[in-house]
Amino acid sequence: RKEVEQDPGPFNVPEGATVAFNCTYSNSASQSFFWYRQDCRKEPKLLMSVYSSGNEDGRFTAQLNRASQYISLLIRDSKLSDSATYLCVAGNTPLVFGKGTRLSVIA
Amino acid sequence: GAVVSQHPSRVICKSGTSVKIECRSLDFQATTMFWYRQFPKQSLMLMATSNEGSKATYEQGVEKDKFLINHASLTLSTLTVTSAHPEDSSFYICSARRNHDTQYFGPGTRLTVL
Repeated sequence: RKEVEQDPGPFNVPEGATVAFNCTYSNSASQSFFWYRQDCRKEPKLLMSVYSSGNEDGRFTAQLNRASQYISLLIRDSKLSDSATYLCVAGNTPLVFGKGTRLSVIA
Repeated sequence: GAVVSQHPSRVICKSGTSVKIECRSLDFQATTMFWYRQFPKQSLMLMATSNEGSKATYEQGVEKDKFLINHASLTLSTLTVTSAHPEDSSFYICSARRNHDTQYFGPGTRLTVL
């Protein structure tokens, strides 16, 4: 199975910090890309889709580099409530999930 | 976002018994649903793809006779863990595909086999 690789972390950052997560995917035929957020012992929830042109949703910015097969997520002005595991997702059907990057935002 | 429900949320059973988990898409029709399993601190592992009206497609290493999947309608898929053993204890999560490849997840079922 093609893989999605991401740094497991944890990333421990203070409130208000900017933090970036990266991931790489190995299947060049992947067409769909997402970031999901998963809280402890909960199901993953869609955070945002990722497009080649880049997209922004409030404090969150996602970027896709198809040539390098690289996806990123930038979180600005981190909040305590951003603490979670962020799953990088690539693929077609079915989607392939990375193992997640754990973020802890500290007061 | 779309809503997917899953029942039960938690189940404890004895070794050797069978457990059925239901996954429902509440506000959309899902021709494809997916079943995942997640062990502690591990990533989601796809078990099978469930297509309405046809047999499920199982991932390598997943026993189809042990994990029975039925997708009888556009809003319901069920996973039955047959003759459960302690090593089957895990977090089972279903998801439903709404459009393109966006998947919405159910809240998960935590299975503990004693």
